[in-house]
Amino acid sequence: DAGITQSPRHKVTETGTPVTLRCHQTENHRYMYWYRQDPGHGLRLIHYSYGVKDTDKGEVSDGYSVSRSKTEDFLLTLESATSSQTSVYFCAIRRGAGETQYFGPGTRLLVL
Amino acid sequence: KQEVTQIPAALSVPEGENLVLNCSFTDSAIYNLQWFRQDPGKGLTSLLLIQSSQREQTSGRLNASLDKSSGRSTLYIAASQPGDSATYLCAAGIQGGSEKLVFGKGTKLTVNP
Repeated sequence: DAGITQSPRHKVTETGTPVTLRCHQTENHRYMYWYRQDPGHGLRLIHYSYGVKDTDKGEVSDGYSVSRSKTEDFLLTLESATSSQTSVYFCAIRRGAGETQYFGPGTRLLVL
Repeated sequence: KQEVTQIPAALSVPEGENLVLNCSFTDSAIYNLQWFRQDPGKGLTSLLLIQSSQREQTSGRLNASLDKSSGRSTLYIAASQPGDSATYLCAAGIQGGSEKLVFGKGTKLTVNP
Protein backbone atom coordinates (compact mmCIF):
# COMPACT_ATOMS: atom_id res chain seq x y z
CA ASP A 1 0.00 0.00 0.00
CA ALA A 2 1.64 3.22 -1.18
CA GLY A 3 -0.83 5.51 0.59
CA ILE A 4 -2.65 6.64 -2.55
CA THR A 5 -6.31 7.55 -2.48
CA GLN A 6 -8.53 8.78 -5.28
CA SER A 7 -11.79 10.66 -4.97
CA PRO A 8 -14.47 10.27 -5.94
CA ARG A 9 -14.36 6.55 -6.67
CA HIS A 10 -17.41 6.72 -8.90
CA LYS A 11 -19.00 9.65 -10.68
CA VAL A 12 -21.80 10.15 -13.17
CA THR A 13 -22.00 13.51 -14.87
CA GLU A 14 -23.52 15.15 -17.90
CA THR A 15 -21.85 16.32 -21.08
CA GLY A 16 -20.55 19.86 -20.80
CA THR A 17 -20.11 19.93 -17.02
CA PRO A 18 -16.72 20.41 -15.37
CA VAL A 19 -15.32 17.52 -13.37
CA THR A 20 -12.35 17.38 -11.02
CA LEU A 21 -10.74 14.17 -9.83
CA ARG A 22 -8.39 14.15 -6.89
CA CYS A 23 -5.35 12.02 -6.18
CA HIS A 24 -3.88 12.19 -2.70
CA GLN A 25 -0.66 10.60 -1.47
CA THR A 26 0.65 10.43 2.08
CA GLU A 27 4.35 9.84 1.36
CA ASN A 28 5.45 13.15 -0.27
CA HIS A 29 6.78 11.60 -3.47
CA ARG A 30 7.85 13.91 -6.24
CA TYR A 31 6.39 12.18 -9.30
CA MET A 32 2.66 11.70 -9.83
CA TYR A 33 0.81 10.49 -12.92
CA TRP A 34 -2.73 10.40 -14.28
CA TYR A 35 -3.78 7.59 -16.67
CA ARG A 36 -7.02 6.56 -18.29
CA GLN A 37 -7.91 2.94 -19.04
CA ASP A 38 -10.28 2.01 -21.85
CA PRO A 39 -11.16 -1.31 -23.46
CA GLY A 40 -9.08 -1.81 -26.57
CA HIS A 41 -6.59 0.91 -25.63
CA GLY A 42 -5.08 -0.14 -22.35
CA LEU A 43 -3.66 2.48 -20.02
CA ARG A 44 -2.63 5.79 -21.53
CA LEU A 45 -0.83 8.66 -19.81
CA ILE A 46 -2.80 11.90 -19.59
CA HIS A 47 -0.53 14.22 -17.57
CA TYR A 48 2.21 13.88 -15.04
CA SER A 49 3.87 16.04 -12.41
CA TYR A 50 7.47 16.20 -11.26
CA GLY A 51 6.93 18.63 -8.40
CA VAL A 52 4.70 21.33 -7.00
CA LYS A 53 3.47 23.45 -9.91
CA ASP A 54 5.56 21.36 -12.35
CA THR A 55 3.45 19.38 -14.80
CA ASP A 56 3.70 18.10 -18.35
CA LYS A 57 1.51 16.48 -20.95
CA GLY A 58 1.22 12.83 -21.72
CA GLU A 59 -0.10 10.92 -24.72
CA VAL A 60 -3.80 11.90 -24.42
CA SER A 61 -3.86 15.32 -22.76
CA ASP A 62 -6.42 17.09 -24.97
CA GLY A 63 -9.49 18.09 -22.95
CA TYR A 64 -7.72 17.67 -19.61
CA SER A 65 -5.84 20.00 -17.31
CA VAL A 66 -3.99 19.32 -14.08
CA SER A 67 -2.82 21.21 -11.05
CA ARG A 68 -0.47 20.47 -8.19
CA SER A 69 -0.36 23.16 -5.53
CA LYS A 70 0.75 20.78 -2.77
CA THR A 71 3.08 17.79 -2.91
CA GLU A 72 0.38 15.44 -1.71
CA ASP A 73 -2.42 16.38 -4.13
CA PHE A 74 -2.61 16.06 -7.91
CA LEU A 75 -5.89 17.20 -9.47
CA LEU A 76 -7.21 16.24 -12.89
CA THR A 77 -9.88 18.50 -14.40
CA LEU A 78 -12.14 17.90 -17.33
CA GLU A 79 -13.15 21.45 -18.19
CA SER A 80 -16.21 20.39 -20.19
CA ALA A 81 -16.80 16.66 -20.01
CA THR A 82 -17.59 14.72 -23.18
CA SER A 83 -18.86 11.17 -23.62
CA SER A 84 -15.47 10.17 -25.00
CA GLN A 85 -14.02 10.88 -21.55
CA THR A 86 -16.04 8.09 -19.99
CA SER A 87 -13.31 5.90 -18.62
CA VAL A 88 -11.55 4.58 -15.56
CA TYR A 89 -8.94 7.04 -14.30
CA PHE A 90 -5.91 5.91 -12.34
CA CYS A 91 -3.42 7.95 -10.42
CA ALA A 92 0.09 6.68 -9.77
CA ILE A 93 3.14 7.78 -7.83
CA ARG A 94 6.79 6.91 -8.19
CA ARG A 95 8.99 6.74 -5.14
CA GLY A 96 12.37 7.27 -6.75
CA ALA A 97 14.53 7.06 -9.84
CA GLY A 98 14.35 3.66 -11.46
CA GLU A 99 11.54 2.52 -9.20
CA THR A 100 8.16 1.21 -10.17
CA GLN A 101 4.93 3.17 -10.13
CA TYR A 102 2.29 2.51 -7.49
CA PHE A 103 -1.31 2.90 -8.54
CA GLY A 104 -4.39 4.12 -6.76
CA PRO A 105 -7.71 2.24 -6.79
CA GLY A 106 -9.14 4.21 -9.73
CA THR A 107 -12.14 6.45 -10.41
CA ARG A 108 -14.93 5.28 -12.68
CA LEU A 109 -16.34 8.22 -14.60
CA LEU A 110 -19.45 8.04 -16.73
CA VAL A 111 -20.32 11.04 -18.90
CA LEU A 112 -23.89 10.96 -20.18
CA LYS B 1 6.70 6.42 -30.94
CA GLN B 2 7.01 3.47 -28.59
CA GLU B 3 4.39 0.77 -29.02
CA VAL B 4 3.95 -2.21 -26.72
CA THR B 5 2.16 -5.37 -27.79
CA GLN B 6 1.06 -8.32 -25.70
CA ILE B 7 0.10 -11.63 -27.25
CA PRO B 8 -2.14 -13.48 -26.62
CA ALA B 9 -4.91 -11.20 -25.41
CA ALA B 10 -6.33 -14.06 -23.36
CA LEU B 11 -5.01 -17.39 -22.10
CA SER B 12 -6.69 -20.23 -20.24
CA VAL B 13 -4.63 -22.97 -18.61
CA PRO B 14 -5.17 -25.80 -16.12
CA GLU B 15 -3.85 -25.41 -12.59
CA GLY B 16 -0.22 -26.45 -12.15
CA GLU B 17 0.88 -25.58 -15.65
CA ASN B 18 3.96 -23.45 -16.29
CA LEU B 19 3.22 -20.62 -18.67
CA VAL B 20 4.83 -17.73 -20.51
CA LEU B 21 3.33 -14.33 -21.29
CA ASN B 22 4.88 -12.32 -24.07
CA CYS B 23 5.52 -8.61 -24.47
CA SER B 24 7.17 -6.85 -27.40
CA PHE B 25 8.16 -3.22 -27.85
CA THR B 26 9.14 -1.30 -30.96
CA ASP B 27 11.87 1.01 -29.66
CA SER B 28 14.79 -0.61 -27.84
CA ALA B 29 15.72 2.68 -26.13
CA ILE B 30 13.82 1.86 -22.98
CA TYR B 31 14.68 2.86 -19.44
CA ASN B 32 13.16 -0.25 -17.91
CA LEU B 33 10.46 -2.85 -18.48
CA GLN B 34 7.79 -3.47 -15.88
CA TRP B 35 5.17 -6.14 -15.34
CA PHE B 36 1.95 -5.45 -13.47
CA ARG B 37 -1.05 -7.47 -12.41
CA GLN B 38 -4.60 -6.14 -12.44
CA ASP B 39 -7.53 -7.87 -10.79
CA PRO B 40 -11.06 -7.02 -12.01
CA GLY B 41 -12.20 -3.61 -10.82
CA LYS B 42 -8.90 -2.92 -9.10
CA GLY B 43 -5.78 -0.87 -9.62
CA LEU B 44 -2.46 -2.21 -10.84
CA THR B 45 -0.01 -4.08 -8.66
CA SER B 46 3.66 -4.07 -9.58
CA LEU B 47 5.16 -7.54 -10.04
CA LEU B 48 8.64 -7.09 -11.46
CA LEU B 49 10.82 -4.30 -12.82
CA ILE B 50 13.80 -5.00 -15.06
CA GLN B 51 16.27 -2.18 -15.56
CA SER B 52 17.57 -1.72 -19.10
CA SER B 53 20.99 -3.06 -18.05
CA GLN B 54 19.51 -6.25 -16.60
CA ARG B 55 18.47 -9.48 -18.30
CA GLU B 56 15.98 -10.86 -15.81
CA GLN B 57 14.30 -10.51 -12.44
CA THR B 58 12.72 -13.14 -10.22
CA SER B 59 10.13 -13.00 -7.48
CA GLY B 60 8.82 -16.25 -6.09
CA ARG B 61 7.16 -18.21 -8.90
CA LEU B 62 7.57 -15.31 -11.33
CA ASN B 63 10.52 -14.71 -13.61
CA ALA B 64 10.72 -11.89 -16.13
CA SER B 65 13.33 -11.62 -18.84
CA LEU B 66 14.33 -8.75 -21.08
CA ASP B 67 16.01 -8.82 -24.50
CA LYS B 68 16.34 -5.22 -25.63
CA SER B 69 17.97 -6.07 -28.95
CA SER B 70 14.97 -8.08 -30.07
CA GLY B 71 12.43 -5.85 -28.34
CA ARG B 72 10.99 -8.64 -26.21
CA SER B 73 10.18 -9.46 -22.62
CA THR B 74 8.59 -12.58 -21.19
CA LEU B 75 6.92 -13.27 -17.88
CA TYR B 76 7.23 -16.87 -16.77
CA ILE B 77 4.80 -18.16 -14.17
CA ALA B 78 5.68 -21.50 -12.61
CA ALA B 79 3.14 -23.95 -11.24
CA SER B 80 0.15 -21.71 -11.93
CA GLN B 81 -2.66 -21.44 -9.37
CA PRO B 82 -6.27 -20.23 -9.64
CA GLY B 83 -5.22 -17.17 -7.62
CA ASP B 84 -2.95 -16.18 -10.51
CA SER B 85 -6.03 -15.43 -12.61
CA ALA B 86 -5.86 -11.76 -13.53
CA THR B 87 -4.84 -9.46 -16.36
CA TYR B 88 -1.10 -9.05 -16.75
CA LEU B 89 0.23 -5.82 -18.20
CA CYS B 90 3.70 -4.99 -19.37
CA ALA B 91 4.95 -1.44 -19.65
CA ALA B 92 8.04 0.07 -21.22
CA GLY B 93 9.66 2.84 -19.25
CA ILE B 94 10.73 5.66 -21.54
CA GLN B 95 12.37 9.03 -21.12
CA GLY B 96 14.74 8.91 -18.18
CA GLY B 97 13.82 11.47 -15.57
CA SER B 98 10.08 11.51 -15.94
CA GLU B 99 10.14 7.74 -16.51
CA LYS B 100 6.84 7.65 -18.33
CA LEU B 101 5.32 4.25 -18.99
CA VAL B 102 3.87 2.96 -22.26
CA PHE B 103 1.56 0.05 -21.59
CA GLY B 104 0.51 -2.96 -23.60
CA LYS B 105 -3.17 -3.91 -23.64
CA GLY B 106 -2.61 -6.88 -21.38
CA THR B 107 -3.07 -10.63 -21.35
CA LYS B 108 -6.07 -11.94 -19.43
CA LEU B 109 -5.03 -15.15 -17.70
CA THR B 110 -7.48 -17.72 -16.37
CA VAL B 111 -6.14 -20.65 -14.36
CA ASN B 112 -8.73 -23.40 -14.06
CA PRO B 113 -8.84 -25.61 -10.96
